[in-house]
Amino acid sequence: DAGVTQSPTHLIKTRGQHVTLRCSPISGHKSVSWYQQVLGQGPQFIFQYYEKEERGRGNFPDRFSARQFPNYSSELNVNALLLGDSALYLCASSFGWNEQFFGPGTRLTVL
Amino acid sequence: GQQVMQIPQYQHVQEGEDFTTYCNSSTTLSNIQWYKQRPGGHPVFLIQLVKSGEVKKQKRLTFQFGEAKKNSSLHNTATQTTDVGTYFCAGWATSGSRLTFGEGTQLTVNP
Repeated sequence: DAGVTQSPTHLIKTRGQHVTLRCSPISGHKSVSWYQQVLGQGPQFIFQYYEKEERGRGNFPDRFSARQFPNYSSELNVNALLLGDSALYLCASSFGWNEQFFGPGTRLTVL
Repeated sequence: GQQVMQIPQYQHVQEGEDFTTYCNSSTTLSNIQWYKQRPGGHPVFLIQLVKSGEVKKQKRLTFQFGEAKKNSSLHNTATQTTDVGTYFCAGWATSGSRLTFGEGTQLTVNP
């Protein structure tokens, strides 16, 4: 079985731009979570979606939004990018509140 | 909000030595999970503890969950160079809907 996939792998944007990150979960997983990981820190929870509904939201501004599609894939959108948004964005899928299977991440650089 | 603290931040050991990392939550947890992230990689699930006072072993790793379900530890015996990476604890709060990660313990091993 394929693991969690994310696209793109790397992305370079300038301040003020918008970005969309994509994630495909492991087949059969209905929960997708998004995390932001700044270098040297632990992953910070952004969103969790389960069965296409938002089940949890972290302490991130409204510039961050996400959605989950009928096939359980997910998108993370970030508007009005700031330099501080530069990070590794991780997507994880799971059966619920158990083991999180992480994708390889999208490395976002904001210039 | 819920905070998960991990110590030490850095751990350097000689090959063959043991190492331990400790995790403390500001709130009671429904479960705690441990992940390992190799340099340049993504977090990989190691284990989940659910019951108060639970102890689990996995090869050279021993994991404990505190009686109050607010702390946990990871103990590794006879550390090998392949154990290099950052070890994260992550907890689901009993009242929350997010997985909160600690800052991690970065392990380096001197051969």
